[in-house]
Amino acid sequence: AQRVTQPEKLLSVFKGAPVELKCNYSYSGSPELFWYVQYSRQRLQLLLRHISRESIKGFTADLNKGETSFHLKKPFAQEEDSAMYYCALSNSNSGYALNFGKGTSLLVTP
Amino acid sequence: KAGVTQTPRYLIKTRGQQVTLSCSPISGHRSVSWYQQTPGQGLQFLFEYFSETQRNKGNFPGRFSGRQFSNSRSEMNVSTLELGDSALYLCASSSLQGSEQYFGPGTRLTVT
Repeated sequence: AQRVTQPEKLLSVFKGAPVELKCNYSYSGSPELFWYVQYSRQRLQLLLRHISRESIKGFTADLNKGETSFHLKKPFAQEEDSAMYYCALSNSNSGYALNFGKGTSLLVTP
Repeated sequence: KAGVTQTPRYLIKTRGQQVTLSCSPISGHRSVSWYQQTPGQGLQFLFEYFSETQRNKGNFPGRFSGRQFSNSRSEMNVSTLELGDSALYLCASSSLQGSEQYFGPGTRLTVT
């Protein structure tokens, strides 16, 4: 069985502070990991995926297979980063359906 | 390109009724997936259609069904509605299975 865990429901940081949103997964094979973001009143959108190894809006995430983690990081948080963040996993065995974590609400305060 | 569209955006139904939700994917996308989002269970995969065939199915009862048309538009149907079916239903399209999924704005279903 595959599972995605985001241990923090809410994360509050000050503007300019580093931020790390945690994501742990359980899956025995080779998963593909994603971070999706939902800003207020907007639709869910892909932020980044581990295979692309890109940095989007200053966010990065490294897949750590040993710790089965895919934490999302940004060195200096901005107020516009306030949003709901979802970690998701997919794999060929499940037909590439996205298996989402429960999400972390990030609040960046001035 | 126009994004994924879903209609209607809001719906109120009574327990026991049935409902049909519609999704129009991004032009050229042939895969359409449906997800249910609730405060308690979060985002859960319902099913995926590709070229009019259901290719993948989540762990939902048979009351939840769907179909896809030759123009890739998709509908999902929920029969004999229960209070617990109240949720935001999201549709996502992608060009290929496993490629990036683009989400629609969702249909908010309330069952009373």
